[in-house]
Amino acid sequence: GNSVTQMEGPVTLSEEAFLTINCTYTATGYPSLFWYVQYPGEGLQLLLKATKADDKGSNKGFEATYRKETTSFHLEKGSVQVSDSAVYFCALSDPPYSNYKLTFGKGTLLTVNP
Amino acid sequence: NAGVTQTPKFQVLKTGQSMTLQCAQDMNHNSMYWYRQDPGMGLRLIYYSASEGTTDKGEVPNGYNVSRLNKREFSLRLESAAPSQTSVYFCASSPGTGVDQPQHFGDGTRLSIL
Repeated sequence: GNSVTQMEGPVTLSEEAFLTINCTYTATGYPSLFWYVQYPGEGLQLLLKATKADDKGSNKGFEATYRKETTSFHLEKGSVQVSDSAVYFCALSDPPYSNYKLTFGKGTLLTVNP
Repeated sequence: NAGVTQTPKFQVLKTGQSMTLQCAQDMNHNSMYWYRQDPGMGLRLIYYSASEGTTDKGEVPNGYNVSRLNKREFSLRLESAAPSQTSVYFCASSPGTGVDQPQHFGDGTRLSIL
């Protein structure tokens, strides 16, 4: 079956530090990959996505590259801000094997201190 | 910009009580989903509805029922609540089930079963 593995949190950084959150996956077919972000007290929001190998998704200074050879989709940001404090979820969609349902990782809590 | 609206936001139940969680979307989306979020577990799919008139089981359907009342509304029912169902429940919707049609989430319902 499909699965997503994220680095364990929590991750605590100082403002302007470099961020990497690792994500690896297993899938039956050729999945699409996503990063979602959840701010305190809110639902999940799509942060970025990539639908084929070597695609780079980017948004709000965050980037992730779809690496088929290493089955990875690591999230990076060059300079984090306090407002980036949130829980980050890596997810995959693997049609037609999973009817387009999302499989989520367990989430990584990021705290950025001023 | 209502998006996906969930009611109630908080609820406390006693073991054995029944409850219906409501979800409505105003984006004319075809597909809707119910997830539960537990600490260290990420999000797990309970049920989904690919289109109006259809529902299917997800990863953790036991103890739940759903109704796709119309295109806008998708409710989740707990017939006899158990402490193991204490969780945060999220409803989501998407235009369809294609990989380029990301899911939009509500703000969640925090449910405690005593």
